[in-house]
Amino acid sequence: DTGVSQDPRHKITKRGQNVTFRCDPISEHNRLYWYRQTLGQGPEFLTYFQNEAQLEKSRLLSDRFSAERPKGSFSTLEIQRTEQGDSAMYLCASSPLENIQYFGAGTRLSVL
Amino acid sequence: AQKITQTQPGMFVQEKEAVTLDCTYDTSDPSYGLFWYKQPSSGEMIFLIYQGSYDQQNATEGRYSLNFQKARKSANLVISASQLGDSAMYFCAMRDYTGGFKTIFGAGTRLFVKA
Repeated sequence: DTGVSQDPRHKITKRGQNVTFRCDPISEHNRLYWYRQTLGQGPEFLTYFQNEAQLEKSRLLSDRFSAERPKGSFSTLEIQRTEQGDSAMYLCASSPLENIQYFGAGTRLSVL
Repeated sequence: AQKITQTQPGMFVQEKEAVTLDCTYDTSDPSYGLFWYKQPSSGEMIFLIYQGSYDQQNATEGRYSLNFQKARKSANLVISASQLGDSAMYFCAMRDYTGGFKTIFGAGTRLFVKA
């Protein structure tokens, strides 16, 4: 069991560019979450998938953000037309049940 | 609305001593779960302990215990016999089980363990 994997670990981009992050959950986990964490703060919930269905989205997830989990396995988070305020750590978590979430190491995004 | 409050931005503890990290929460949902996570400087969030709102006994996991006081809406984490490797950020989190799938986190407490 390799745990939750996120790729890339770091991403530097210029303002206005699009970026895409990938999350591979623990294989038997059908629940997947995305969070954003800024410096000195706790993670903020972005969205939740159960299998391939996106069941909840935060109001933080503006129309520039989109997440998919097409086959109920890996997930992608895309940010279009990045802004400097998007600079943060993006965390993915998966869980087999409704409680304990297991987190990946995150993707750190820097928007210049 | 759900809310998690961690009032201690930073805490110091001597190695081998016990330390309590405070967490208070607010929810109107009778069914909820409370969690503690550790985030070392590497960035990965590590699950430590879980307490369900209907659990009668306080949760324990090795050196970690959760002091759950439902009437006061507090869920403090107690770390016994602190080790240097315990130095990290600690986050308290809550999930309502009837209000959706969102988990909210507090702002965290940075723990420093002194040798």
